[in-house]
Amino acid sequence: GAVVSQHPSWVICKSGTSVKIECRSLDFQATTMFWYRQFPKQSLMLMATSNEGSKATYEQGVEKDKFLINHASLTLSTLTVTSAHPEDSSFYICSATNRQGAVETQYFGPGTRLLVL
Amino acid sequence: AQSVTQLGSHVSVSEGALVLLRCNYSSSVPPYLFWYVQYPNQGLQLLLKYTSAATLVKGINGFEAEFKKSETSFHLTKPSAHMSDAAEYFCAVSPGFQKLVFGTGTRLLVSP
Repeated sequence: GAVVSQHPSWVICKSGTSVKIECRSLDFQATTMFWYRQFPKQSLMLMATSNEGSKATYEQGVEKDKFLINHASLTLSTLTVTSAHPEDSSFYICSATNRQGAVETQYFGPGTRLLVL
Repeated sequence: AQSVTQLGSHVSVSEGALVLLRCNYSSSVPPYLFWYVQYPNQGLQLLLKYTSAATLVKGINGFEAEFKKSETSFHLTKPSAHMSDAAEYFCAVSPGFQKLVFGTGTRLLVSP
């Protein structure tokens, strides 16, 4: 149980275009989803917290107008990278929380590798 | 602010040897601590978590970790390394509000 999927697994796009990444919780309802970015050989950095039916909360330094997050249902959140540039090339990973007892556990998707040319 | 420090960006062991990956945390309140594993080009998989119950936590794939408040540590161990254990390991602390703060990661290399 507690499977999270992402689509696409990798994408190559031209500079200036927009890219949408989907994150789905397959076998549970996730009230909260998180979006992370991971640069090569670095740790995961939280970009934003997404709650179903409300606006996402962005971490300091993350441009909300560039990284649009929509959490329309309890099983789907999307991240749209608008007007992508080469510096946005990264590994984007989502996670969804599944409450087990008193602690929320985050389950991670397989990630989406974005390359902007 | 809560944080974790992972000592050693790379750890090399021989197959069958003890695995020890170090994690120290900084927290002003009792922390929730996690270990995740990441295989190449994949997301993270939860190995184990500490939630203020038993200080010795057993996880999947034979891994375990011990919470030591006096040392502010949460080191990950496995008695006998397997080739399939080669991966990147991340320690994380939860500062509340469901967030996770990750360490910089430790790459485990297992040689035959």
